[in-house]
Amino acid sequence: EAGVVQSPRYKIIEKKQPVAFWCNPISGHNTLYWYLQNLGQGPELLIRYENEEAVDDSQLPKDRFSAERLKGVDSTLKIQPAELGDSAVYLCASSLGRVDEQFFGPGTRLTVL
Amino acid sequence: SQKIEQNSEALNIQEGKTATLTCNYTNYSPAYLQWYRQDPGRGPVFLLLIRENEKEKRKERLKVTFDTTLKQSLFHITASQPADSATYLCAPQDSGGYQKVTFGTGTKLQVIP
Repeated sequence: EAGVVQSPRYKIIEKKQPVAFWCNPISGHNTLYWYLQNLGQGPELLIRYENEEAVDDSQLPKDRFSAERLKGVDSTLKIQPAELGDSAVYLCASSLGRVDEQFFGPGTRLTVL
Repeated sequence: SQKIEQNSEALNIQEGKTATLTCNYTNYSPAYLQWYRQDPGRGPVFLLLIRENEKEKRKERLKVTFDTTLKQSLFHITASQPADSATYLCAPQDSGGYQKVTFGTGTKLQVIP
């Protein structure tokens, strides 16, 4: 069975440009997470979905970040406009439910110049 | 505010010895605690989950303890191997509300042959 799929794996953009990341979770997993990870730090939650509903987006900078999970499967995270400080790895994870192990994708490494 | 502390310095041990990693938390009463392994350039991989009413949990060469009085979890790898070299992340999980998982900064383990 395929794991969590993310694309692209790497992205380099100029500041003020928009960027989007895509995630396909493991089939049947209702809960989907987007994390941001800086070098030497642990993942920090940006948003969590249960099916189509965003149940925890308190750490999502809503002035520039947006996310959606149409039909409760795939999800897209967007940044517009990107800033230099957004350079990081963006990880997507999924789980069956709230208290279950999370399966992570390989992440997207974003570099903002 | 909630705080999770893991040894920020790398832990170097000799092959065959037992590695012990520490996770301390404050202003927090998690109902569960998860441990993940992360290799460079990859997403975290789930290892173990322990509940607050469990004192200890084992899986092959791995052992996790959870002391809710000390607000501490210990992660042990017995008979360590060079392949165990990675960063290990502690992730306490809230008991109520969103049952949010919060990751620590991780401890880098290096097993020397």
